[in-house]
Amino acid sequence: SQTIHQWPATLVQPVGSPLSLECTVEGTSNPNLYWYRQAAGRGLQLLFYSVGIGQISSEVPQNLSASRPQDRQFILSSKKLLLSDSGFYLCAWEGRGAGETQYFGPGTRLLVL
Amino acid sequence: EDQVTQSPEALRLQEGESSSLNCSYTVSGLRGLFWYRQDPGKGPEFLFTLYSAGEEKEKERLKATLTKKESFLHITAPKPEDSATYLCAVRAATSYGKLTFGQGTILTVHP
Repeated sequence: SQTIHQWPATLVQPVGSPLSLECTVEGTSNPNLYWYRQAAGRGLQLLFYSVGIGQISSEVPQNLSASRPQDRQFILSSKKLLLSDSGFYLCAWEGRGAGETQYFGPGTRLLVL
Repeated sequence: EDQVTQSPEALRLQEGESSSLNCSYTVSGLRGLFWYRQDPGKGPEFLFTLYSAGEEKEKERLKATLTKKESFLHITAPKPEDSATYLCAVRAATSYGKLTFGQGTILTVHP
């Protein structure tokens, strides 16, 4: 069965510091991968998506970037965090021909102070 | 622009009191409508995918239905463990994979 991991689970960072959040998927090959941000515990906003290694598309211009160095690894980064980057970051995977359902990871809670 | 509106924002039920959650949507060609359950501090858990008007799916006490403009999540005889935020999302036919989410309905079931 497929499993998706995210770490760290919680992160407290000062304004201006760098960021690296990691997401890995097990039990599937060549998945589509997504990064979402959820503010105030409600609706999700798509940030980035990837259909393959090195292929990243940005949905919303912002202070963040994403990379996909391996087939089942997706990384969310920032060079300098802003207060507005605080939120709950969720990674999701979608299998090829799997009915187009996205499955989410456990999330990373980021607090920028 | 695709839009999803969920109502009510919050719903309090007594155990055993059946009710429905609403998800109204506008999308340029529906490719799929998705329901997720989210517990506090956790990632959304997939519940259902609906693809065309008239389709229905069931899982335990939950039943999801779909029309051309909205979807309902019916909860029959809920239990306290059904308490969670329920999220609705749509995927457009022209979408590469982007899901547009509603703000969710916070369901609380009291024993």
